[in-house]
Amino acid sequence: EVVLTQSPGTLSLSPGERATLSCRASQTVYSSYLTWYQQMPGQAPRLLIYGASTRATGIPDRFSGRGSGTDFTLTISRLEPEDVAVYYCQYYVNSALTFGGGTKVEIK
Amino acid sequence: QVHLVQSGAEMKKPGASVKVSCKTSGYNFNDHYIHWVRQAPGQGLEWMGWINPNSDGTNYAQKFQGRITMTTDTSIRTAHMELSRLTSDDTAVYYCAGGILQKWLPDQWGQGTLVTVSS
Repeated sequence: EVVLTQSPGTLSLSPGERATLSCRASQTVYSSYLTWYQQMPGQAPRLLIYGASTRATGIPDRFSGRGSGTDFTLTISRLEPEDVAVYYCQYYVNSALTFGGGTKVEIK
Repeated sequence: QVHLVQSGAEMKKPGASVKVSCKTSGYNFNDHYIHWVRQAPGQGLEWMGWINPNSDGTNYAQKFQGRITMTTDTSIRTAHMELSRLTSDDTAVYYCAGGILQKWLPDQWGQGTLVTVSS
């Protein structure tokens, strides 16, 4: 069973700063099946990045994903107030999905 | 435009069952899996399983096997998720999500349905 560990638990930054979120898998995974979601307060999750690095339709280019093997990163290059949310990584394996615990991004 | 619209909030007693509906539009319902994901208050996302509307084939997370049933009604483009033997630990927002880009990838989400289990 693949376990996804996200860090940090909470990230508090000022507008315009760079946010780096980590997702570490308990074993080597295929990057094609690594996904990131954004969940704004009180809303349903929204697809952000799939295939580890492909932005979903309508996602601003300040969001980027990269990684391989066991280590994956979501970067928000210049934090905007509307980026306040919890970000989840997710992996698909053996016809099942697993989510990481999430990273909460706050604005200072 | 793809839309998934879920049924309204439910209040249930322990031991009861709940059935949540997810009405879809804007895409070919038969061609894409429907996933169900839940979120307990203040907690993260938990995948529950998926159903293939074309075959009614399902794959349930092991945690829920034996008390979860996913079904579809293709005539009205609607998916259902029924969870039985409810406990207070099942209090959560339940989401349906369509695998439109890829069958395994929940990329279009419903608005969520709050299920509260309390005596």
